[in-house]
Amino acid sequence: EAQVTQNPRYLITVTGKKLTVTCSQNMNHEYMSWYRQDPGLGLRQIYYSMNVEVTDKGDVPEGYKVSRKEKRNFPLILESPSPNQTSLYFCASSFLADSTDTQYFGPGTRLTVL
Amino acid sequence: GQQLNQSPQSMFIQEGEDVSMNCTSSSIFNTWLWYKQDPGEGPVLLIALYKAGELTSNGRLTAQFGITRKDSFLNISASIPSDVGIYFCAGRYTNAGKSTFGDGTTLTVKP
Repeated sequence: EAQVTQNPRYLITVTGKKLTVTCSQNMNHEYMSWYRQDPGLGLRQIYYSMNVEVTDKGDVPEGYKVSRKEKRNFPLILESPSPNQTSLYFCASSFLADSTDTQYFGPGTRLTVL
Repeated sequence: GQQLNQSPQSMFIQEGEDVSMNCTSSSIFNTWLWYKQDPGEGPVLLIALYKAGELTSNGRLTAQFGITRKDSFLNISASIPSDVGIYFCAGRYTNAGKSTFGDGTTLTVKP
């Protein structure tokens, strides 16, 4: 089944404790992206990747890192999480970064930073 | 960054009624997209619009790409209870990785 998977789905952590949220897609998509969703603010793009080893900042990259060492995986790294990073995170992928291609979203990761 | 103003923020309607929501942008996009998000899930694409003036339908849903390329609307006709959810508009540029989303319209349909 074609899908985007994220792990973990739920995470409660404490300020300053490094964490990684994994994202994997099995559709051989070139383009992958991370978003955070906060009440009343819609989805805001954190980072995106046009292809392996190519990453770029979205609108809210501060406090996050990403890597794209292989096509199927695009982990989101929080080196020193803070409470303002408590949010619902979505990973998405598509064949191309071309605007005509459909983005598929993962199920979301709900992160709470205490 | 880019800003999309989506309205209304929420809607409470009776089953069978038609619904209309829209998005406006401070600048132009090459593509407008409409997504629906069900509780506990990621957004799912409903309609994609690629040309200014384009009018596209998907079942009971109709969306239009504004002539100015700075706005789009989504209409849902004869709403049903399963239409409940959050609807997002999004704008994208050709060959660019950035996507900008509206804040969402929460739709409640009373049976």
